[in-house]
Amino acid sequence: NAGVTQTPKFRVLKTGQSMTLLCAQDMNHEYMYWYRQDPGMGLRLIHYSVGEGTTAKGEVPDGYNVSRLKKQNFLLGLESAAPSQTSVYFCASSLDRGTDTQYFGPGTRLTVL
Amino acid sequence: AQSVTQLGSHVSVSEGALVLLRCNYSSSVPPYLFWYVQYPNQGLQLLLKYTTGATLVKGINGFEAEFKKSETSFHLTKPSAHMSDAAEYFCAVSDLNNDYKLSFGAGTTVTVRA
Repeated sequence: NAGVTQTPKFRVLKTGQSMTLLCAQDMNHEYMYWYRQDPGMGLRLIHYSVGEGTTAKGEVPDGYNVSRLKKQNFLLGLESAAPSQTSVYFCASSLDRGTDTQYFGPGTRLTVL
Repeated sequence: AQSVTQLGSHVSVSEGALVLLRCNYSSSVPPYLFWYVQYPNQGLQLLLKYTTGATLVKGINGFEAEFKKSETSFHLTKPSAHMSDAAEYFCAVSDLNNDYKLSFGAGTTVTVRA
C-alpha cells in the first residue's frame, strides 16, 4: 500500500497563475482533507470531503476549490495564486471521522512569487 | 469553539532525559485528543490518541499522554529521549460541536542534544 500520495512535491508559481494539487489514497477511506501548514500556526483545514462527490469548507477555504470525483482522489485547485498562499499543503484521509486516525501524505511545498 | 494551546514552541533535551510537551485544550463537550509527530520533510503520523476510557494512553516509540479533564490538559511524555525523537509534535482536538474536525496546536519542535 502506498497510503496517501501527493503530486507534485514542489511547485513555484507566479501571482495569478493557477494549479491543481492531486491527492490519492489506496486505503478505501471515505474522508479526505486538505490542510495548509504555516510556521507557528500548526495545520489549518482548507476543505474536506466525507465521501465521493461531496466537499465542504474548512477553516480557511478562500482562494481554493476542491473536487472529489473518485473516492480515491481529492483535488485542490488554486484559480489565481497569491503570495499569501505560499505554504506547505498536506492531504490526509481517514476511514471515519471522530476518533479515527488521519493518515497524511508527504506534503507539497508551494511558493507563489 | 474548540482550541488547542501548546506551551513552548521549542524544547531542547539531552539524550536520555525526560521529554515533556504540554498541551491544553478548550472544548465544551467531551473531546477526542491526539498527538501527531512530524519528522523533517515528512507528513504527520499518529503517536497516540485518547477517545474514551483509560486516561493514560500509551503510544508508539515509548511516548504516553494523560488526559486530565479537571486541568483540560493532555501532556505528552517520554522517560528517556533518543536522538531519533527530534521532530515537531502537534497536539490536536476534535469534538461533536465541530463535527469532529481536527483542530491543531501550533506545534512544538524538539531537539535532542547528545
